[in-house]
Amino acid sequence: EVQLAQSGAEVKKPGESLKISCKASGFSFTSYWIGWVRQMPGKGLEWIGIIYPPDSDTRYSPAFQGQVTISVDKSISTAYLQWSSLKASDSAMYYCARRGVGSAGWFDPWGQGTLVTVSS
Amino acid sequence: DIRMTQSPSSLSAFVGDRVTITCRASQGISDYLAWYQQKPGKIPKLLIYAASALQSGVPSRFSGSGSGTDFTLTISSLQPEDVATYYCQKYNIVPLTFGGGTKVEIK
Repeated sequence: EVQLAQSGAEVKKPGESLKISCKASGFSFTSYWIGWVRQMPGKGLEWIGIIYPPDSDTRYSPAFQGQVTISVDKSISTAYLQWSSLKASDSAMYYCARRGVGSAGWFDPWGQGTLVTVSS
Repeated sequence: DIRMTQSPSSLSAFVGDRVTITCRASQGISDYLAWYQQKPGKIPKLLIYAASALQSGVPSRFSGSGSGTDFTLTISSLQPEDVATYYCQKYNIVPLTFGGGTKVEIK
């Protein structure tokens, strides 16, 4: 079964760093892009960025460029989303999703989401 | 960057009604358009890709159409389990922008 398993909920203080993960199984990790999506409380979906595991080619939304870092460890089929200094406004649900290559660029499936809460 | 605008932002309809949601791209995106359903408290789920192709397992009452800049998602006969927020997304080139969402409720 194709699955993306995300790491658990996090509670952090402003200024702290954080790295959340997305572990893939049931498919060839190096044949797809992995994307990240933010959903703030009660709001819509926002595309953060995507990464291509074979060469770590990474593309960011202009809104998130410089605010987060997307990375991957091919050896364990895991993608990451990290912050160096969290802000209260980073509090949100974060989803990873598999994206096909070429013309098959939709997101499917999605991970279960990681809730990040940043509060002093 | 291309903007994706959905309308309406919310709607309420009776069970059995035909429901149509519109997504408009600020520039042409051919048929590189997907629709997702997000039920309350759940993760997004792919419904439609390539503007009109039904994802496996999705009920046939869902359909998509359009190309270029104007797209529609239609639910032919609204069911109680269709209560959700629906999002369109362009996926031809980055940024892979989502529409703002359409919340569908039952009257």
